[in-house]
Amino acid sequence: DIQMTQSPSSLSASVGDRVTIACRASQDIGRYLAWFQLRPGKAPKSLIYLASSLQSGVPSKFSGSGSGTDFTLTINNLQPEDLATYYCQQYQSFPLTFGRGTKVEI
Amino acid sequence: QAQVVESGGGVVQPGGSLRLSCAASGFTFTAYTVRWVREAPGRGLEWVALISPEGSDKFYADSVKGRFTISRDKSKSTVSLLMDSLGTEDTAIYYCGALNTDADYWGQGTLVTVSS
Repeated sequence: DIQMTQSPSSLSASVGDRVTIACRASQDIGRYLAWFQLRPGKAPKSLIYLASSLQSGVPSKFSGSGSGTDFTLTINNLQPEDLATYYCQQYQSFPLTFGRGTKVEI
Repeated sequence: QAQVVESGGGVVQPGGSLRLSCAASGFTFTAYTVRWVREAPGRGLEWVALISPEGSDKFYADSVKGRFTISRDKSKSTVSLLMDSLGTEDTAIYYCGALNTDADYWGQGTLVTVSS
């Protein structure tokens, strides 16, 4: 199975900050990497697919980069509604696997 | 607008069974790959199962293989997850997500609690 390692596990930032979350795959997954946002009591929200493509309706303050084994999610101009846990997920092969999440606190 | 709604969660005893349902509206559900993922307390997200748009391809996490069965009813635009031999480790919020090249829609989840 492909292991996904996210860092940091949590971070605290201020409104207006730029935040970067890292995700590392245990083997080459090309660009088959997605990012999700999970807010308490809300439906998961898909942010990024194919490592850097923005999902329809997602604001451009979210961006993704990387390929192979190393990926990043960047959130610009952090706002209170961005309080959430963010997960990366590889879909290069089954079983699909998630990172353990990064909790963003404001 | 597009909407996905999960149902069927509840409290069940260890060893019991439960059937979750995922219904969609506002988009062509039958053209979407559907997956179930779960969020257990303190354990993050875990992928559970996936079914192709035609229903011919199904994949499962090792932790549920042989116990869970995913299926879809095209006439009703629903996807079901039949869960047998439930254990306390299956306690979680179960989310249904519908994915294709244009969009990825998710429901708000249904809570499954396995407890005696």
